[in-house]
Amino acid sequence: GQNIDQPTEMTATEGAIVQINCTYQTSGFNGLFWYQQHAGEAPTFLSYNVLDGLEEKGRFSSFLSRSKGYSYLLLKELQMKDSASYLCAAMDSNYQLIWGAGTKLIIKP
Amino acid sequence: DTAVSQTPKYLVTQMGNDKSIKCEQNLGHDTMYWYKQDSKKFLKIMFSYNNKELIINETVPNRFSPKSPDKAHLNLHINSLELGDSAVYFCASSQEGRDFMETQYFGPGTRLLVL
Repeated sequence: GQNIDQPTEMTATEGAIVQINCTYQTSGFNGLFWYQQHAGEAPTFLSYNVLDGLEEKGRFSSFLSRSKGYSYLLLKELQMKDSASYLCAAMDSNYQLIWGAGTKLIIKP
Repeated sequence: DTAVSQTPKYLVTQMGNDKSIKCEQNLGHDTMYWYKQDSKKFLKIMFSYNNKELIINETVPNRFSPKSPDKAHLNLHINSLELGDSAVYFCASSQEGRDFMETQYFGPGTRLLVL
């Protein structure tokens, strides 16, 4: 079956760095997405990886290892506004997104 | 300015009623989607639709039906509402084509509560 695993909740301190891991199993693979969702709001796109390696975009970076079925989202210089859920989603061979349940990130001062 | 819009934002209704949620995108995208996000925050795909194909998640009850009057709209009709239908429903759209990463843009969500 198809499956996405990510931690349910993480806590980090303002100004610090946090890494949110995601493992996936899909029928075929056409890329890995990370979305951010603030409470009561819609998910918004953060990053897309289809090749192995690290993609950096400002304070946020995303890494992919296709052989391991593994990705992580790295958030640097954490700000209070980064408190949100982070959703990992893998695109299968039919170009359908398979979503994880999300990791709730709590930032403390 | 809103890229993907949904109405209504909140919907409270009685069991057994029939209701519709409207979705419009002004991005010129080819594909639109409906998702259900339950209390555990899982985003579950219900439908994806472009002008060529409707893909239905087989686990979705046939009480749910998408209707697309044109490329910019994909409305969700729900018949005989049940308590378990209470959730947040998100509409999304993406541009078809390998060069566009098929990033999905989400509407603000419709919070449905069935009493």
